[in-house]
Amino acid sequence: ETGVTQTPRHLVMGMTNKKSLKCEQHLGHNAMYWYKQSAKKPLELMFVYSLEERVENNSVPSRFSPECPNSSHLFLHLHTLQPEDSALYLCASSPDWGGADGYTFGSGTRLTVV
Amino acid sequence: AQSVTQPDIHITVSEGASLELRCNYSYGATPYLFWYVQSPGQGLQLLLKYFSGDTLVQGIKGFEAEFKRSQSSFNLRKPSVHWSDAAEYFCAVGVPTSYDKVIFGPGTSLSVIP
Repeated sequence: ETGVTQTPRHLVMGMTNKKSLKCEQHLGHNAMYWYKQSAKKPLELMFVYSLEERVENNSVPSRFSPECPNSSHLFLHLHTLQPEDSALYLCASSPDWGGADGYTFGSGTRLTVV
Repeated sequence: AQSVTQPDIHITVSEGASLELRCNYSYGATPYLFWYVQSPGQGLQLLLKYFSGDTLVQGIKGFEAEFKRSQSSFNLRKPSVHWSDAAEYFCAVGVPTSYDKVIFGPGTSLSVIP
């Protein structure tokens, strides 16, 4: 049990679908993150939330829409995705938004866009 | 901007042999430094971190890392590798400014031969 739970573990969606990824942590952390991990590429930071407010949007296309309703939950809403969006999407949390204490990662959602 | 490189894309070692994974960073001052491990199908797990003080840091699973300022390096070591250590290893750099941001290296894939 990593302390950060992501659902679903696997998702296959068509380019016209709308789906959501969910992340949940009960570690009492104040910051949560979405990362994209593609084959042969370094981890890409997508979004950062601190105390439910977004503090970073790393030039992510609008077809990805994050939501942080409280400090324990983070969603990534997906719509009209492209095949190149297929990747492992990782959620992470940290005590504070700087990440200086290190991150706790979830196991990820393996997304395939067909 | 800070960056981190991991010169070795893939390393193979025999079980029981020693291991050293290389990490070099580029930053004008001393950053926060981290090593994470990712087992297949899993998220990343923090192995150890360095902020200041003793340049040799101990982590979980028998790993240690040494910070060398003169070489801008933070290499990960383990004296005796176990088959369960086969995984992807990521070095990460965090910048201790008012807006901290963690940058991940491209990763080194470790295979262990029985």
